[in-house]
Amino acid sequence: DAGVIQSPRHEVTEMGQEVTLRCKPISGHNSLFWYRQTMMRGLELLIYFNNNVPIDDSGMPEDRFSAKMPNASFSTLKIQPSEPRDSAVYFCASGRDISYNEQFFGPGTRLTVL
Amino acid sequence: QKEVEQDPGPLSVPEGAIVSLNCTYSNSAFQYFMWYRQYSRKGPELLMYTYSSGNKEDGRFTAQVDKSSKYISLFIRDSQPSDSATYLCATIQGAQKLVFGQGTRLTINP
Repeated sequence: DAGVIQSPRHEVTEMGQEVTLRCKPISGHNSLFWYRQTMMRGLELLIYFNNNVPIDDSGMPEDRFSAKMPNASFSTLKIQPSEPRDSAVYFCASGRDISYNEQFFGPGTRLTVL
Repeated sequence: QKEVEQDPGPLSVPEGAIVSLNCTYSNSAFQYFMWYRQYSRKGPELLMYTYSSGNKEDGRFTAQVDKSSKYISLFIRDSQPSDSATYLCATIQGAQKLVFGQGTRLTINP
């Protein structure tokens, strides 16, 4: 049974470039979460979707960040333009829609913006 | 003040020792508490969860919540080198929003 799939696993880009991170949640899960992890700030929720609808995007740091979920099996997180301070590990997680929600995390995308 | 505070460590103990990991939280309305384990260069995975106050045991792991002092603990008995990882406490804010502590990096030395 495949877990959450993220691509790419590593991304190195130059400041100002557009970056697109991709996520495929676990089949049957109807909630999807995007997190960012840094040494300084730890693991922070950026945005989450329920049934493909964005529910809470209060963690999205700036307008440079956007996320979409066009269908139940795919989501993207886009950064345009990217900046060096965006360098972090970005995780996607999925879960079922229950009050206690175990979230299953993907392997993460390690982003470096030069 | 962060909603969930956790000492980032690092913490290093010898194999076989009892490990105590701790967090504090600020909002008395929080009800669900979790511990996630994250191995190096991997995503976090759920280790244990508890609801409200009390203890929960799973093998060598015990999770404890003291709501009166807003204190969350994870105890690991007979620690093994394979327990070396970062441990993150978390709670749920609202319906599904997880709020994590900073994470404590733990090393068990053979």
